[in-house]
Amino acid sequence: NAGVTQTPKFQVLKTGQSMTLQCAQDMNHEYMSWYRQDPGMGLRLIHYSVGAGITDQGEVPNGYNVSRSTTEDFPLRLLSAAPSQTSVYFCASSYSMEGGGYTFGSGTRLTVV
Amino acid sequence: TQLLEQSPQFLSIQEGENLTVYCNSSSVFSSLQWYRQEPGEGPVLLVTVVTGGEVKKLKRLTFQFGDARKDSSLHITAAQPGDTGLYLCAGRAGGTSYGKLTFGQGTILTVHP
Repeated sequence: NAGVTQTPKFQVLKTGQSMTLQCAQDMNHEYMSWYRQDPGMGLRLIHYSVGAGITDQGEVPNGYNVSRSTTEDFPLRLLSAAPSQTSVYFCASSYSMEGGGYTFGSGTRLTVV
Repeated sequence: TQLLEQSPQFLSIQEGENLTVYCNSSSVFSSLQWYRQEPGEGPVLLVTVVTGGEVKKLKRLTFQFGDARKDSSLHITAAQPGDTGLYLCAGRAGGTSYGKLTFGQGTILTVHP
């Protein structure tokens, strides 16, 4: 059971480049979310999804797009990378039931130069 | 936006001491979760509390959800060096935002032998 798989683990981008961070889960979880983690700021929610075809914005959505065409996959797209997007990105998934905890991937460390 | 204030931000103690981490908000949450994160890894769920006033114990860790479901605490008895890590509280919104999980800033705990 792989859980939540994120790729790549590390990435360096030049300012203005675009890329997609991949996230896949094999637990049939309805909910999926993307977070970014910066020093001293905990985890901030970028976008989340409560099921295939349904997405919504979190606290810091600007500069990022998501889609959820299947239950398993929830890719995060950076449209035009900026140095302020240098961060560690985590994908997470959860059952929809009350009290369901999130399972996190191991993260993608992104540097924008 | 529902905000979670976590305190203290840093905690450095000696092995055998007790400690408490607090998580406070002005908003009501449908559930409160606590996670622990090791360097280079994603957060791992410790516990979920759902009912106001609920107390859960996990070995030397005691978690409490406030009666009004706006705050929570984590108490560690007789801390050990293996407890060192980043502790995060996270609140799940209710209603149509149920899939949204908001994190506090985290508490970095260091337990010295």
